[in-house]
Amino acid sequence: DAGVIQSPRHEVTEMGQEVTLRCKPISGHDYLFWYRQTMMRGLELLIYFNNNVPIDDSGMPEDRFSAKMPNASFSTLKIQPSEPRDSAVYFCASSFGPPPRDTQYFGPGTRLTVL
Amino acid sequence: AQSVTQPDIHITVSEGASLELRCNYSYGATPYLFWYVQSPGQGLQLLLKYFSGDTLVQGIKGFEAEFKRSQSSFNLRKPSVHWSDAAEYFCAVVGYNNNDMRFGAGTRLTVKP
Repeated sequence: DAGVIQSPRHEVTEMGQEVTLRCKPISGHDYLFWYRQTMMRGLELLIYFNNNVPIDDSGMPEDRFSAKMPNASFSTLKIQPSEPRDSAVYFCASSFGPPPRDTQYFGPGTRLTVL
Repeated sequence: AQSVTQPDIHITVSEGASLELRCNYSYGATPYLFWYVQSPGQGLQLLLKYFSGDTLVQGIKGFEAEFKRSQSSFNLRKPSVHWSDAAEYFCAVVGYNNNDMRFGAGTRLTVKP
């Protein structure tokens, strides 16, 4: 298995632009998670899905952030408009079963820089 | 709400020396506890986890961790560190019937030759 795949690996954009981050979970995994990692706040859960349905989005910072999972093999995290404080590493993870018992497998992350 | 503290931001050990990374948690009951490792440019990889039972948990790569309820701690140990263990280590906690995994700030491990 290729593991969790994220694209792009690096993204540099200007303030006000729309940014879309992509994730392909491990095949057969029913749960998908989006995390954000910053120096100031560490690693935070933004949202997670079960069978393509958002279950908990309480970690999404504000309305500028949205996440979708149109099918079992693809999810996007969109920021519109982007701001410099959104600069972070965004991780996608997937698991076969529900948290916390089932192991989450993390992708390599997308490093986002908003100028 | 649960929280986790990793008191050491950065630790340096010599190759072959023993290692202990500290983790303290705050939660009203016994939580689920995890240790993850993050190599540069990589995502997090699960080293081990504790849910219940034996308080000494064995993980991958020769790591182990011990849950001590009286000290609210879940320290990670390795008897002999290898240069490839240089990475960042995260402790995480989740409350029972709670899906919100909280991560510590991480401890960066440097291994001297």
